[in-house]
Amino acid sequence: AQSVTQLDSQVPVFEEAPVELRCNYSSSVSVYLFWYVQYPNQGLQLLLKYLSGSTLVESINGFEAEFNKSQTSFHLRKPSVHISDTAEYFCAVIGAGGTSYGKLTFGQGTILTVHP
Amino acid sequence: EAGVTQFPSHSVIEKGQTVTLRCDPISGHDNLYWYRRVMGKEIKFLLHFVKESKQDESGMPNNRFLAERTGGTYSTLKVQPAELEDSGVYFCASSPLHPRAWVEAFFGQGTRLTVV
Repeated sequence: AQSVTQLDSQVPVFEEAPVELRCNYSSSVSVYLFWYVQYPNQGLQLLLKYLSGSTLVESINGFEAEFNKSQTSFHLRKPSVHISDTAEYFCAVIGAGGTSYGKLTFGQGTILTVHP
Repeated sequence: EAGVTQFPSHSVIEKGQTVTLRCDPISGHDNLYWYRRVMGKEIKFLLHFVKESKQDESGMPNNRFLAERTGGTYSTLKVQPAELEDSGVYFCASSPLHPRAWVEAFFGQGTRLTVV
């Protein structure tokens, strides 16, 4: 079984400031890691994922996340945020083997609010 | 290509009534998942279909919830009778079946259910 902890429920920042959304996980098996985003009045969208290979993964809109196996973390970062990044962000994991079959375990979500 | 579609987007019903939520997955996606987010808590897995068969229904809260996927296409989730604690956002997701492709699930916009 897996569990995910997002350490901050809300993160307010000013536009063009850097941001880090923290995510830690617990699992007895290897995992795949994901960040999903939900913009206001929209569904969940995949932002980025780590399956294997380079531990640093990037999204098309400037976010990046680094898989740290020793610290069991997958923090999400962006060097300069925009108003349009205001959304709720969810960290999630799937067990990498066995019978997980795409069953995601989510964290509690972090609401990122970008102020002008 | 159409994404995952959920109906209705919002539903307000009285305690004791019945509600049916519908999910149309992406065409060709054999995996279909239902998740739920109760207010203030994390998104939790309810169940997983592979085509028309229930692969994993370990997250279904009780026998008031009935999910079906006749013909392996769209799915319905019926709550009968609804209770106040059933209020939340119900998400549907789908993914392809072949190896590694199932890792990335595509989500619908969710159905916000309010039981009063």
